[in-house]
Amino acid sequence: AQKITQTQPGMFVQEKEAVTLDCTYDTSDQSYGLFWYKQPSSGEMIFLIYQGSYDEQNATEGRYSLNFQKARKSANLVISASQLGDSAMYFCAMRSWALGFVFGPGTRLSVLP
Amino acid sequence: DTAVSQTPKYLVTQMGNDKSIKCEQNLGHDTMYWYKQDSKKFLKIMFSYNNKELIINETVPNRFSPKSPDKAHLNLHINSLELGDSAVYFCASSRRTSGRPGELFFGEGSRLTVL
Repeated sequence: AQKITQTQPGMFVQEKEAVTLDCTYDTSDQSYGLFWYKQPSSGEMIFLIYQGSYDEQNATEGRYSLNFQKARKSANLVISASQLGDSAMYFCAMRSWALGFVFGPGTRLSVLP
Repeated sequence: DTAVSQTPKYLVTQMGNDKSIKCEQNLGHDTMYWYKQDSKKFLKIMFSYNNKELIINETVPNRFSPKSPDKAHLNLHINSLELGDSAVYFCASSRRTSGRPGELFFGEGSRLTVL
């Protein structure tokens, strides 16, 4: 079965520091995609970054990077130089052809001034 | 110019009523979804349609019935609403492609409150 685990219900980080949000996944698929989404308090879901299972390099998008360790089945999100506007819920998700997108329970990140 | 739009954004209704939420996407995607987000923020897939054909139907009470008149629209009808149906319902769409799978594009969500 497809499953996403995010073990950190809540995280705090000081403004301008880097933070890592953990994500591990379980799948028997050979081909899959890993995604991170941000949900601010306003409620919309914002796509941040994507990593394909066959991608050899870790994905980066601006201040976001994905630390992909395939053997360990982990896809951690790294946010560099945190900003107050980064305070939000963050969801790790996996896409498989059979089950569509499966989401983890989320991590609530609070950036402290 | 909204890519995925759903209406209404807020819905307050009494137990036992029937209500519908509409969703439209103008991205040319061939796959659409309904997700339910509960009070603990957990996102659970309910249905997925590909080119108007139901491809995912998770364990959802049969009071929930999706309808896809064409591949740009996926509506959700709920009969006999219960208190536990209170949640935010997200419509989403994606490309179903070979190679890199497309990301999900979400609507703004519809907050349903059942009194």
